[in-house]
Amino acid sequence: GAVVSQHPSRVICKSGTSVKIECRSLDFQATTMFWYRQFPKQSLMLMATSNEGSKATYEQGVEKDKFLINHASLTLSTLTVTSAHPEDSSFYICSGGKRQQGSYEQYFGPGTRLTVT
Amino acid sequence: LAKTTQPISMDSYEGQEVNITCSHNNIATNDYITWYQQFPSQGPRFIIQGYKTKVTNEVASLFIPADRKSSTLSLPRVSLSDTAVYYCLVGPFRGNNRLAFGKGNQVVVIP
Repeated sequence: GAVVSQHPSRVICKSGTSVKIECRSLDFQATTMFWYRQFPKQSLMLMATSNEGSKATYEQGVEKDKFLINHASLTLSTLTVTSAHPEDSSFYICSGGKRQQGSYEQYFGPGTRLTVT
Repeated sequence: LAKTTQPISMDSYEGQEVNITCSHNNIATNDYITWYQQFPSQGPRFIIQGYKTKVTNEVASLFIPADRKSSTLSLPRVSLSDTAVYYCLVGPFRGNNRLAFGKGNQVVVIP
């Protein structure tokens, strides 16, 4: 398998502040990483696709100026939630794609629980 | 991205084989079928992936009929720790692999 880590695992911030979440592929290089959001009792919703060295591609309805994504290296992508509000409280999950034995598998991080007060 | 439909939930007794179905009527020629497992407050975990017929690994089997409009994930002899949400996803295995998660199937294993 392959390992993806996220930091922090939990974060509480005040309304109006910004929060950065890191996603790292620990034992493989991920040219593409993905960011998802998951509200309680709901499925994962894809927010954006992050490509190393280029701008992220956002899904419809996701504000790119609010959710800043940077993919500076093949092992690190960051998501910054700017001017966070309570409705941004959610579980944020990243994933990295790895080609392996003819298939393309996507490995997910453990998630980051964001609570905005 | 092809849409998938799964039962919302199902219960099973410990030690039994569990078969989880998924419908994907609009699957495209270059789409693969991938199954993930998710425990509460954790990221999804890859279980198995297949294109047609049958695929088996150390944790599960995946059955895909000839028309590929559905698939069945089979978990042999489930234990309490298999209680989770299981997602079926369909998409091309090349390219940027955007994945669209459906509602998933909550499987509860009962002692």
